[in-house]
Amino acid sequence: DTGVSQNPRHKITKRGQNVTFRCDPISEHNRLYWYRQTLGQGPEFLTYFQNEAQLEKSRLLSDRFSAERPKGSFSTLEIQRTEQGDSAMYLCASSRDTLRQYFGPGTRLTVT
Amino acid sequence: ELKVEQNPLFLSMQEGKNYTIYCNYSTTSDRLYWYRQDPGKSLESLFVLLSNGAVKQEGRLMASLDTKARLSTLHITAAVHDLSATYFCAVDGEDEKLTFGTGTRLTIIP
Repeated sequence: DTGVSQNPRHKITKRGQNVTFRCDPISEHNRLYWYRQTLGQGPEFLTYFQNEAQLEKSRLLSDRFSAERPKGSFSTLEIQRTEQGDSAMYLCASSRDTLRQYFGPGTRLTVT
Repeated sequence: ELKVEQNPLFLSMQEGKNYTIYCNYSTTSDRLYWYRQDPGKSLESLFVLLSNGAVKQEGRLMASLDTKARLSTLHITAAVHDLSATYFCAVDGEDEKLTFGTGTRLTIIP
């Protein structure tokens, strides 16, 4: 059990650019979640997958955001045409069914 | 929409003292989680509470759940400096996604 990993750990980008983050869950976990956390706040749910199926998307996830989990293993979160308001920590978590979620180290995005 | 409130938001306490953090939530749920977050780090799972009356203890921390009152508490006994962190409760709603509280930033003063 190597834990949830996320790459990159930090990303600085200019407004209007596209960015993509990757999450590798714990190997036997079938559920994968994405959250966003801004400074001083708790994480906010964005979307989750059960295996390769995306089951729910938050209203926070505008059409500039897209997430995939093509083979039910790793997942990517892409943000197109980034805005300064997208600056946040993006957290990935995984679980086996609906049990405890284990969080990765996060990707900190700064949009300048 | 499920809402989760924690109080206090900030807590400074002296080493050796006891204190309790409260987590209230707005709709029925029987699964509640406590996480710890150190500055700039991700979330570390502390407790999973799965039923009414559940009580879990780990070291100086003890968590409990009252689903009828929609209340969970995290009790800190004889605080030590390395407990300084932000603590979040999170509730698992019917839609099986976690809704987090705003967090309690705990600072232990020597």
